[in-house]
Amino acid sequence: EVQLVESGGGLVQPGGSLRLSCAASGFTFTSYELSWVRQAPGKGLEWVSYISTSGSVMYYADSVKGRFSISRDNAKNSLYLQMNSLRAEDTAVYYCARIGGYRHDYWGQGTLVTVSS
Amino acid sequence: QSALTQPASVSGSPGQSITISCTGTSSDVGSYKFVSWYQQHPGKAPKLIIYEVSKWPSGVSDRFSGSKSGNTASLTISGLQAEDEADYYCCSYAGSVTWVFGGGTKLTVL
Repeated sequence: EVQLVESGGGLVQPGGSLRLSCAASGFTFTSYELSWVRQAPGKGLEWVSYISTSGSVMYYADSVKGRFSISRDNAKNSLYLQMNSLRAEDTAVYYCARIGGYRHDYWGQGTLVTVSS
Repeated sequence: QSALTQPASVSGSPGQSITISCTGTSSDVGSYKFVSWYQQHPGKAPKLIIYEVSKWPSGVSDRFSGSKSGNTASLTISGLQAEDEADYYCCSYAGSVTWVFGGGTKLTVL
């Protein structure tokens, strides 16, 4: 069974940093690209970032470019999102999602990030 | 990277059919077959229900169907059931390894 479990969310002050993790199991981790997708409270989904199978290629939404950094550790079956210079508008539930053929086919349960003073 | 346009809400009675539209541009929906749809119940993670415009993932009911014409994709749910009440999101590949989601549609089963 495919499982994605996010962790690392919490309350952080504006301008602060946070690192999210996503532990994967139930599939061959090294064979799949991954994304982070977020959802602000009461709002829709927003794609945030992508990483290739090897971890050498990354892409970001304009809204987070230069502030967020995606990475993965294939030895640990884990995905990460380093978030710096956080703003109130980054408040959201952050989901990690597996990419299968240009679709996000499995999602974790999400972790809530709240940016507030 | 503007969000795809979906109606905020739709409703229907049990047994009826409803259609949710998803309008993008020639840079996303109009250019790629990689349009997918997700169902999200309150407090839950999104679940893939349609991919590549009209294909079903394993285990998804064929009451859900998808189509596309030009820059607009559509999701049709036939034989509405109470359990279909949820939020629905479309998503399109937008090139250069980026994706764009719709704003979401709340489906109410009357």
